[in-house]
Amino acid sequence: RKEVEQDPGPFNVPEGATVAFNCTYSNSASQSFFWYRQDCRKEPKLLMSVYSSGNEDGRFTAQLNRASQYISLLIRDSKLSDSATYLCVVGSYKLIFGSGTRLLVRP
Amino acid sequence: GAVVSQHPSRVICKSGTSVKIECRSLDFQATTMFWYRQFPKKSLMLMATSNEGSKATYEQGVEKDKFLINHASLTLSTLTVTSAHPEDSSFYICSANPIAESSYNEQFFGPGTRLTVL
Repeated sequence: RKEVEQDPGPFNVPEGATVAFNCTYSNSASQSFFWYRQDCRKEPKLLMSVYSSGNEDGRFTAQLNRASQYISLLIRDSKLSDSATYLCVVGSYKLIFGSGTRLLVRP
Repeated sequence: GAVVSQHPSRVICKSGTSVKIECRSLDFQATTMFWYRQFPKKSLMLMATSNEGSKATYEQGVEKDKFLINHASLTLSTLTVTSAHPEDSSFYICSANPIAESSYNEQFFGPGTRLTVL
């Protein structure tokens, strides 16, 4: 079993749609959880940290369920510029990256 | 936000040559930097953890004699790919942890170096 698993997608959605990504992780001792965004041939950029209480940043909402070892990312009112690969990242001192979920937002 | 630079951004070399990649934290100090490799359509794979003033910690399966890491200062780590071969062609990305405890675990990434070995 992979340490961090994501559905690779692609998720192909129209502008304005709401889309949700899920991620599971295997190490119950993990302490840090993030969603990163990676555009084609670019470095990953931090989108948001994920906390047990959940957190929201504009159109983006992240949730963490430690009992189920599950992380989610919800994007509301999708924009064309949201098209990218979203990486689920889990770790403590060392970060483990999921293989990413590709999102395509069409006009 | 914290800025990390990498140099060069792209390098093409002949098989058998060595290539050095620099990773610099521009506006913060980092006792720890990380080196990743990413193959096309694959996720980032951690190669090694670079520790300022001490030896790097390599992940399983990464040859330390092939991927030499030096972390000489709090703002600079270098990765040297020795005797590069075509299978070493990849996207190499570094990241750094700011020293400040509040940002522990949050890593800031350099723009990456695309290495092509002919």
